[in-house]
Amino acid sequence: DAMVIQNPRYQVTQFGKPVTLSCSQTLNHNVMYWYQQKSSQAPKLLFHYYDKDFNNEADTPDNFQSRRPNTSFCFLDIRSPGLGDAAMYLCATSRGFLRDTEAFFGQGTRLTVV
Amino acid sequence: DQQVKQNSPSLSVQEGRISILNCDYTNSMFDYFLWYKKYPAEGPTFLISISSIKDKNEDGRFTVFLNKSAKHLSLHIVPSQPGDSAVYFCAASASQGGSEKLVFGKGTKLTVNP
Repeated sequence: DAMVIQNPRYQVTQFGKPVTLSCSQTLNHNVMYWYQQKSSQAPKLLFHYYDKDFNNEADTPDNFQSRRPNTSFCFLDIRSPGLGDAAMYLCATSRGFLRDTEAFFGQGTRLTVV
Repeated sequence: DQQVKQNSPSLSVQEGRISILNCDYTNSMFDYFLWYKKYPAEGPTFLISISSIKDKNEDGRFTVFLNKSAKHLSLHIVPSQPGDSAVYFCAASASQGGSEKLVFGKGTKLTVNP
């Protein structure tokens, strides 16, 4: 049974047109993460929530925003996608401290910008 | 600047032999290390971890070794099986405030030949 679900699996958006990627979890985990992975690159953390506490990485562009309306759902909003934002976006969750529990990843959403 | 480095993009081994995947890190604050395995079209899945207070952790065919002085860790798979063919990501974390985050390497694609 899928525990971290990302929708859609594939998203095509136009240059400059806002797009939202969604992630839901059935694990009731406290922490949710969004990673960006470009081709042949390491997954790069964009931001994470610990419960409702939002933690933005210093180098995450302002173009990227996130919402977590409840424990189960987390959204990634790209306000004005550029060609350089084409990537795989991975959502992950963890119960708490990573040394006490593992992080579970969704299958990812592959974003194409045309 | 890559804080976690996997310098071998790919590795090919024969079934039944040992696979050794290497990972180097630069941030001395990292104190917890993990390996994730990723099949095509799936999200990464947790494989094994090690705390900086240990130098070895074993789980079945998988063993992770940590050399803190060299800032180096390795994943040994013995014996290797064709089903182990996947991309392996090394990740590291450092405790920061009330939560942690993973920093990933670029991954090593392992191919186990029958």
